[in-house]
Amino acid sequence: AQSVTQLDSQVPVFEEAPVELRCNYSSSVSVYLFWYVQYPNQGLQLLLKYLSGSTLVKGINGFEAEFNKSQTSFHLRKPSVHISDTAEYFCAVSVFSGGYQKVTFGTGTKLQVIP
Amino acid sequence: DVKVTQSSRYLVKRTGEKVFLECVQDMDHENMFWYRQDPGLGLRLIYFSYDVKMKEKGDIPEGYSVSREKKERFSLILESASTNQTSMYLCASSSDPRVRGYTFGSGTRLTVV
Repeated sequence: AQSVTQLDSQVPVFEEAPVELRCNYSSSVSVYLFWYVQYPNQGLQLLLKYLSGSTLVKGINGFEAEFNKSQTSFHLRKPSVHISDTAEYFCAVSVFSGGYQKVTFGTGTKLQVIP
Repeated sequence: DVKVTQSSRYLVKRTGEKVFLECVQDMDHENMFWYRQDPGLGLRLIYFSYDVKMKEKGDIPEGYSVSREKKERFSLILESASTNQTSMYLCASSSDPRVRGYTFGSGTRLTVV
């Protein structure tokens, strides 16, 4: 069975500083990887995804993530955060299991951008 | 703009009531999902459906059932609501979860008293 670990439940960072949100996964088969963002009182929105090819993927709102197969990681980064980036971020892994595409989410990381 | 619409933003129900949570998507997606979101636990899959009249149990189906009579509508049913079902419920749909990810609704925050 696959699993996703987001080690940091909360990450405070000053405005215009860089940020990295960590995600590690475990799976015995090939995976597809996603990051979602949830703004207060809203549903989740897809930020970016890794399917294959280049290990550095770019998403919306200036975010990017790097897939590292040897370290089974998919960390999310932004070089300079804005107040509007304050939200909860979820990493997710998708594998084919039991005849279906099964998606497992991490427990989320709350990013708090401090003015 | 494509949409997944959940009929209620907030609901308060009494213990033992039968509760219906409705979800409608306008993207002609085959795949629809119900998750519950709880602090510190992330999203947990309750049920999903890959076609009309088809349903599959997710990781935490106990106490829930679903209905999918039409392609665009996926309903979650709490047969007899209990206080431990107080949660945020998120509906999602996708044409291909493997490569396209999900489109989520805004969620229904259910409180059972």
